[in-house]
Amino acid sequence: AQSVTQPDIHITVSEGASLELRCNYSYGATPYLFWYVQSPGQGLQLLLKYFSGDTLVQGIKGFEAEFKRSQSSFNLRKPSVHWSDAAEYFCAVGAPAGKSTFGDGTTLTVKP
Amino acid sequence: GAGVSQSPSNKVTEKGKDVELRCDPISGHTALYWYRQSLGQGLEFLIYFQGNSAPDKSGLPSDRFSAERTGGSVSTLTIQRTQQEDSAVYLCASSFPASGNTIYFGEGSWLTVV
Repeated sequence: AQSVTQPDIHITVSEGASLELRCNYSYGATPYLFWYVQSPGQGLQLLLKYFSGDTLVQGIKGFEAEFKRSQSSFNLRKPSVHWSDAAEYFCAVGAPAGKSTFGDGTTLTVKP
Repeated sequence: GAGVSQSPSNKVTEKGKDVELRCDPISGHTALYWYRQSLGQGLEFLIYFQGNSAPDKSGLPSDRFSAERTGGSVSTLTIQRTQQEDSAVYLCASSFPASGNTIYFGEGSWLTVV
């Protein structure tokens, strides 16, 4: 069965610092991979997704993620964090024609 | 429709009452999910519908919870004999697995049991 692990429950970074949120997945073939963001009191918004091809994918709001098959990882990165990036971030793995599974999320706090 | 639509957006109910939450997915999306999110918590998977297949009900927390999807479109999540611990946001999402499988979420139904 597919699964997703987000090892960091909570991360705090200073504004302007770089960010990396970790995501590890378990899936028997090449999965579809997603990152979503949920700002306080808001719904979930898709940041980026990987289906195939280039393993480095660009998303909205300056985020990118890299698919590493050998490490079963899909870590989310941003070079310089803004205060507005404070939110909950969810990684998800999906079967190409089936159900997707979400991780437990990572809460990002941004210090001024 | 343009997006996933959920109703009601807010519901306050008395303990012991039944509630129904409705989800109208994006037109043409064959997959539909229900999740529950308690305050400050992650996403708790409840149920997954895909086309005409039997739904994956593995996340329903008790037999007080049930969901149906009529005509492959609109879905209703029913909670019977509500308890205070049922208070949460109930999120519906849909996707089209044959084309990218990106999941789109509704804004949620905020349920408060008093």
